[in-house]
Amino acid sequence: AQSVTQLGSHVSVSEGALVLLRCNYSSSVPPYLFWYVQYPNQGLQLLLKYTSAATLVKGINGFEAEFKKSETSFHLTKPSAHMSDAAEYFCAVRKATGANSKLTFGKGITLSVRP
Amino acid sequence: SAVISQKPSRDICQRGTSLTIQCQVDSQVTMMFWYRQQPGQSLTLIATANQGSEATYESGFVIDKFPISRPNLTFSTLTVSNMSPEDSSIYLCSVGVLREGQGTSLAGELFFGEGSRLTVL
Repeated sequence: AQSVTQLGSHVSVSEGALVLLRCNYSSSVPPYLFWYVQYPNQGLQLLLKYTSAATLVKGINGFEAEFKKSETSFHLTKPSAHMSDAAEYFCAVRKATGANSKLTFGKGITLSVRP
Repeated sequence: SAVISQKPSRDICQRGTSLTIQCQVDSQVTMMFWYRQQPGQSLTLIATANQGSEATYESGFVIDKFPISRPNLTFSTLTVSNMSPEDSSIYLCSVGVLREGQGTSLAGELFFGEGSRLTVL
């Protein structure tokens, strides 16, 4: 079974600083990997996805993530944090592209941005 | 992308009652999924709603507690039965790849509704 691990529950950065949110995966087959963001009192929005094409994936709002098979990682980064980036971030893994394949989420990381 | 509408967006319910959550999608989709997000927690898959057959439940979730309907390719309901305070959660509907011919490949991502925030007193 596939799973993801997000170390830590809370990350705090200053506005303008680098954002790094870590995600490690475990999967018996090449995975599809996703980062979702959840703003307060809202549903989940897809930030970006890795689907076995380019290992460096660019998403919305200036975020990007790099798939590193040797490290089984898919860390999310943004060069310069903005106050509006404060939210909950979830890493997720999916075994196959079939519509009936489950999406398994990590426990999430809360990002706070200090002025 | 798919536009997903959930009703109600939030509700406060009494212990022992049941609540049905509706999920409407703006296009035909193969699979719909129901997730639960307990306070401060991640998302847990409750079940996969299959059109034309019974839902497939994950370990720890049973049909008597969370009956699901999927009458067509754009609509599903989740009922939370005989509620207790432990059922207070956000319940989210999500959908997978669109049916063939409905648009470009979505490479496996899911789209989510805004969620239904349930508080049980």
